[in-house]
Amino acid sequence: QSVLTQPPSVSAAPGQKVTISCSGSSSNIGDRPVSWYQQLPETAPKLLIFDNNRRPSGIPDRFSGSKSGTSATLAITGLQTGDEADYYCGAWDSRLRAAVFGGGTKLTVL
Amino acid sequence: EVQVLESGGALVQPGGSLRLSCAASGFTFNTYSMTWVRQAPGEGLEWVSSVTDSGGDTFYAVSVKGRFTISRDNSKNTIYLQMNSLGVEDTALYYCAQGGIGSTGLIVWGQGTRVTVSS
Repeated sequence: QSVLTQPPSVSAAPGQKVTISCSGSSSNIGDRPVSWYQQLPETAPKLLIFDNNRRPSGIPDRFSGSKSGTSATLAITGLQTGDEADYYCGAWDSRLRAAVFGGGTKLTVL
Repeated sequence: EVQVLESGGALVQPGGSLRLSCAASGFTFNTYSMTWVRQAPGEGLEWVSSVTDSGGDTFYAVSVKGRFTISRDNSKNTIYLQMNSLGVEDTALYYCAQGGIGSTGLIVWGQGTRVTVSS
């Protein structure tokens, strides 16, 4: 049981938009910045979003992050088949004094 | 180019010990926290441990506290994970990452080193 809750899977057609939710609590998302990671099949995770809504250099603006209260959302527009991957949210939990991840969401581009 | 490269993974018997290393390059190592994350076969990401830039503060997941020790040598641009009393539940691919999960996120990840605990 992960501290951060994500849907196990989402799907959408190429060119469409999809959102992935990440639900936490006041001691993690409600209190700390959220980051998002993309893990393509058989590869290491890659940072997509940090500090709730900032993109590292090289990440296209099709990827965006937002946060409201104790929930965060990753949005991907203009879906491509190459976006098929597992997506994870993460944050520091000030009560646990530990980093926590969501269970991951598998994105399928139909 | 920023890189982190893990090494030290192996097959080890339950109750055994192992030390993982992570060599970093391409950035000012002593200004970044560093983190270990693991992924069991077919499972999601699990944070294991982080160390601050100076090495003065360390943090551990409950599942490894008291058994694992994270450390760093800023003169060698390397971090370590000493793992003792290994159990089958520690079987995973262990990733090293630049940064902490706070405001910077886990910026760059290595390819991982595999630890298998089995008799």
